[in-house]
Amino acid sequence: GAGVSQSPSNKVTEKGKDVELRCDPISGHTALYWYRQSLGQGLEFLIYFQGNSAPDKSGLPSDRFSAERTGGSVSTLTIQRTQQEDSAVYLCASSRTASNTEAFFGQGTRLTVV
Amino acid sequence: GENVEQHPSTLSVQEGDSAVIKCTYSDSASNYFPWYKQELGKRPQLIIDIRSNVGEKKDQRIAVTLNKTAKHFSLHITETQPEDSAVYFCAASKAGGGADGLTFGKGTHLIIQP
Repeated sequence: GAGVSQSPSNKVTEKGKDVELRCDPISGHTALYWYRQSLGQGLEFLIYFQGNSAPDKSGLPSDRFSAERTGGSVSTLTIQRTQQEDSAVYLCASSRTASNTEAFFGQGTRLTVV
Repeated sequence: GENVEQHPSTLSVQEGDSAVIKCTYSDSASNYFPWYKQELGKRPQLIIDIRSNVGEKKDQRIAVTLNKTAKHFSLHITETQPEDSAVYFCAASKAGGGADGLTFGKGTHLIIQP
């Protein structure tokens, strides 16, 4: 595709359910980032992939959060046993390399936990 | 990892005046400094970037300056217009990406008063 694509665009889930968020980066981009943005707040770094590996997973808020990337392309962010405080917009971005190149953002997934 | 501080968190200026947003970074190895603009309800988009081999870059009404010694960089917007109202994020990265890839500041909400 022409840009970074995220799905679903909106997700409403019940507290305690698991959710999976998907990110399709721009073809050929080796770096992929996940951020979380609460209403009116900044970009909270979650995790970054260089290829299929994540150098540092300490940005994930809790052990309920996990992320993977396969084939150097699609990435999924999984939140288990969702809580109300997980409600936010989850943004994915990709860049051609990990440094010195523009990162392109997807439109985000708005997650609401009720 | 890298730490990027951004100030102010909110900036209100009269239409036609200039706006300046400042960021500091901690990792002296960082060498790429982009600025992103996020309009309400939209994804962040790159507006200007600077690499460590230059001290200033301009693009029409916006400019970015970099002081490597002091480890700070600034965004300057002149002749502000209503469409400049948005949240602006600075970021830093280094060759190879490091652990975090691209590290963002917490954002500045720029309000242009008519």
